[in-house]
Amino acid sequence: EAQVTQNPRYLITVTGKKLTVTCSQNMNHEYMSWYRQDPGLGLRQIYYSMNVEVTDKGDVPEGYKVSRKEKRNFPLILESPSPNQTSLYFCASSSGDYRSDTQYFGPGTRLTVL
Amino acid sequence: GNSVTQMEGPVTLSEEAFLTINCTYTATGYPSLFWYVQYPGEGLQLLLKATKADDKGSNKGFEATYRKETTSFHLEKGSVQVSDSAVYFCALPANAGGTSYGKLTFGQGTILTVHP
Repeated sequence: EAQVTQNPRYLITVTGKKLTVTCSQNMNHEYMSWYRQDPGLGLRQIYYSMNVEVTDKGDVPEGYKVSRKEKRNFPLILESPSPNQTSLYFCASSSGDYRSDTQYFGPGTRLTVL
Repeated sequence: GNSVTQMEGPVTLSEEAFLTINCTYTATGYPSLFWYVQYPGEGLQLLLKATKADDKGSNKGFEATYRKETTSFHLEKGSVQVSDSAVYFCALPANAGGTSYGKLTFGQGTILTVHP
């Protein structure tokens, strides 16, 4: 089954404690992205990757890091989380084709930073 | 880059009512347009799409027509069900022309609640 998986689904942490949210896709997609979803703001892209070892900033990259060492995995790293990073996070992957660029989303990770 | 403006909600309807959620866009050229749906506790999933002007996307009784004259892609359903309660997002590639690099620009989302 084609899917994007994320772990953990729920996470409560404290300010400053480094954390990693994992993301994996099994569709051999070139492109992967991280979004955060906040009430009234919709989805905003944090980082995206066009291929292994190729990443770029999205609209709201501050406070986040990513890496793409393997095609299927795209972890999101918060080196020093702060309360304003409390949000619902989604990983997504796509083939990147302009005309039919369907993005496939993971189930989401709800992060609370105290 | 491209942008999208989506009707703000929330929208509350009774079962079997007619649904319209408005979406207008600003884009260079004629990019593909998408509607995504997010059911409670889940990630987004593609509901329908249209890849060129005048195309109609359809799925699960929902329809949207790509209208370049009015730069719109309104979502409609003739008779909603309780199970349609979800958040609906209009989207298009963020970049003008060429490869989208996997980046979509999303509207703010419209919360739909359908009562029995």
